[in-house]
Amino acid sequence: GENVEQHPSTLSVQEGDSAVIKCTYSDSASNYFPWYKQELGKGPQLIIDIRSNVGEKKDQRIAVTLNKTAKHFSLHITETQPEDSAVYFCAARGGSYIPTFGRGTSLIVHP
Amino acid sequence: GAGVSQSPRYKVAKRGQDVALRCDPISGHVSLFWYQQALGQGPEFLTYFQNEAQLDKSGLPSDRFFAERPEGSVSTLKIQRTQQEDSAVYLCASRGPGGDNQPQHFGDGTRLSIL
Repeated sequence: GENVEQHPSTLSVQEGDSAVIKCTYSDSASNYFPWYKQELGKGPQLIIDIRSNVGEKKDQRIAVTLNKTAKHFSLHITETQPEDSAVYFCAARGGSYIPTFGRGTSLIVHP
Repeated sequence: GAGVSQSPRYKVAKRGQDVALRCDPISGHVSLFWYQQALGQGPEFLTYFQNEAQLDKSGLPSDRFFAERPEGSVSTLKIQRTQQEDSAVYLCASRGPGGDNQPQHFGDGTRLSIL
């Protein structure tokens, strides 16, 4: 089955800095890669996703890049704000309809 | 429109008791998923429904776990003879029509604590 590794587990940045979270996956058949933001006491919320036919996608301050050859994808948040503080999860989905999640990155943005 | 709704938000039970967790998916969403999220971990798949049919229950950890969706809308996850290791947040997600690449929409979960 699919195995997703996510790094770092904790990321602390100053407001206005950029944050990068990286994930690797094992199943070369995976073709859909969503990213979720989870605030305390809430369920995961989809913030951006990318499909295997593109290498990069951007939505305002958030961007995701995908390298299919190396089987890794990354989340980039620019101009971080305190309200970006949360746990972020990457996921990968391939031949199965079931996404496999990473273990999460706790992002702390200091004002 | 309303999102995915789960109830109760918190449940405390004594070891050995049975519990039932409810999920109201987004109206019109045919696909429904249950996940278990341990503290500090990502969601782990439990089971999947398409309408009323349970197509995959490979993630259920034991036969004490049972899920149903009799009318293809509301779903219930039941855990019998609860044990301490069942303590976790149970998340429900639904997905609209349009294929597997449509995003899942999660509820806020039920936090289950077994004493």
